[in-house]
Amino acid sequence: SQTIHQWPATLVQPVGSPLSLECTVEGTSNPNLYWYRQAAGRGLQLLFYSVGIGQISSEVPQNLSASRPQDRQFILSSKKLLLSDSGFYLCAGLRGGQGSFLETEAFFGQGTRLTVV
Amino acid sequence: AQRVTQPEKLLSVFKGAPVELKCNYSYSGSPELFWYVQYSRQRLQLLLRHISRESIKGFTADLNKGETSFHLKKPFAQEEDSAMYYCALSLYNNNDMRFGAGTRLTVKP
Repeated sequence: SQTIHQWPATLVQPVGSPLSLECTVEGTSNPNLYWYRQAAGRGLQLLFYSVGIGQISSEVPQNLSASRPQDRQFILSSKKLLLSDSGFYLCAGLRGGQGSFLETEAFFGQGTRLTVV
Repeated sequence: AQRVTQPEKLLSVFKGAPVELKCNYSYSGSPELFWYVQYSRQRLQLLLRHISRESIKGFTADLNKGETSFHLKKPFAQEEDSAMYYCALSLYNNNDMRFGAGTRLTVKP
């Protein structure tokens, strides 16, 4: 079965510092990968998604960027964190290829709670 | 544009009462809809999908194409149903997924 390893689980960073969150996928190849943010009191907001190596689509303009250097690796970055970047970040995957409707099930990492101070 | 709307951020019911979590979608094609649930300190996980017409943990959801809705229902809520619920739309041809903002359900004793 598909698994996402996401780290770190918690992170406290000062304003203006860089950020790098990484998730890696096991159990499937060529997945679609997603970065979501869950801000306090709000639901999931799609930040970026990737359908393949080097292919990144951004849903909302912001202080963050994403990269996919390998098929099973998806990285969320920032050069300078803002206070408003605090939140819970979730990496998710959707099996790619020609899966059937019943196989199109998203799988999730454990998430990273980021606090910018 | 494809969109999933969950109008209620918070929903609170008493144990044993019926519960309905609303979800509306906007998609011109043939949608594939899901409900995902996140219990406290657990990963987000699939609850049910419309194509399976299944009932999981007493929950059911019917796709109403006329109203573009996929509401989640349970006739008798239990305290362990307290969680965050997300409605999601999968765009099959594009292999893409859109989530609603989520509804936090609290079932009170």
